[in-house]
Amino acid sequence: QKEVEQNSGPLSVPEGAIASLNCTYSDRGSQSFFWYRQYSGKSPELIMFIYSNGDKEDGRFTAQLNKASQYVSLLIRDSQPSDSATYLCAVRGAQKLVFGQGTRLTINP
Amino acid sequence: EAGVAQSPRYKIIEKRQSVAFWCNPISGHATLYWYQQILGQGPKLLIQFQNNGVVDDSQLPKDRFSAERLKGVDSTLKIQPAKLEDSAVYLCASSARSRRAGGADTQYFGPGTRLTVL
Repeated sequence: QKEVEQNSGPLSVPEGAIASLNCTYSDRGSQSFFWYRQYSGKSPELIMFIYSNGDKEDGRFTAQLNKASQYVSLLIRDSQPSDSATYLCAVRGAQKLVFGQGTRLTINP
Repeated sequence: EAGVAQSPRYKIIEKRQSVAFWCNPISGHATLYWYQQILGQGPKLLIQFQNNGVVDDSQLPKDRFSAERLKGVDSTLKIQPAKLEDSAVYLCASSARSRRAGGADTQYFGPGTRLTVL
C-alpha cells in the first residue's frame, strides 16, 4: 500500500463546475496535510494546508480532512482553465512530507 | 522575499558521468530538502537537512548520491556515477518550522534542475 494515494486522472471538468480531488493516506499518526499545484514543467506551489478535521476554505479552494477515514480532499469551485494542472497531495508524518503521485486536472472551456 | 534558487536549470550528461546541483534556500529557513521527481510521479524525498545536520537520508542511494550543507545555508547534491534511471527533475525546497501544533512546516520549492542521462 502506498503511503499517499491519489487517482492519477486525468480528471476533466467543465469550466465553472466544481472539481473534486481526493487523497488517502496510510499513516494514522499523520499531523498535517498539504495540497500543491504543479503546472507542466514547473515546480510545486502550495495552495493550502489543513491540520484539523473538517473544512478549510480559501477563496475558491476548500480542503476537507477526515482523519478517521484517513482521507483528505480538495474542492475547486468555479473552475477556470487556469486551474488545469497536476494537484499533489502531501502528508506529513513523524519526520517527512510524503507526496502522492498527483492528479492531472483539465478544465474544459 | 527571494525564493529558493537552484542551478543549473537543465543538465544533459552521459551515463557514468558525474553531476552536481546547487541550491540556495529562502533566507532564514533552517530546513532544506532535496527531492527527485520522475515524470508522472510525485516528488520523492532524497535528503533533509536541519541547519547543516542530516535529519533523513533514508531514500538517498548512497552508493552514488551525496549531499552536503556545510554552513547551514546553501547545499549541493552530487550524483557519481549517473545512471539512465536518474533522469528526473531534482527539486530543492526549504521551510521554516512553524510553531503550530503538530510542528507542521510549509515547504517552498525552487524551480528545479531537469537532468537527462543519455
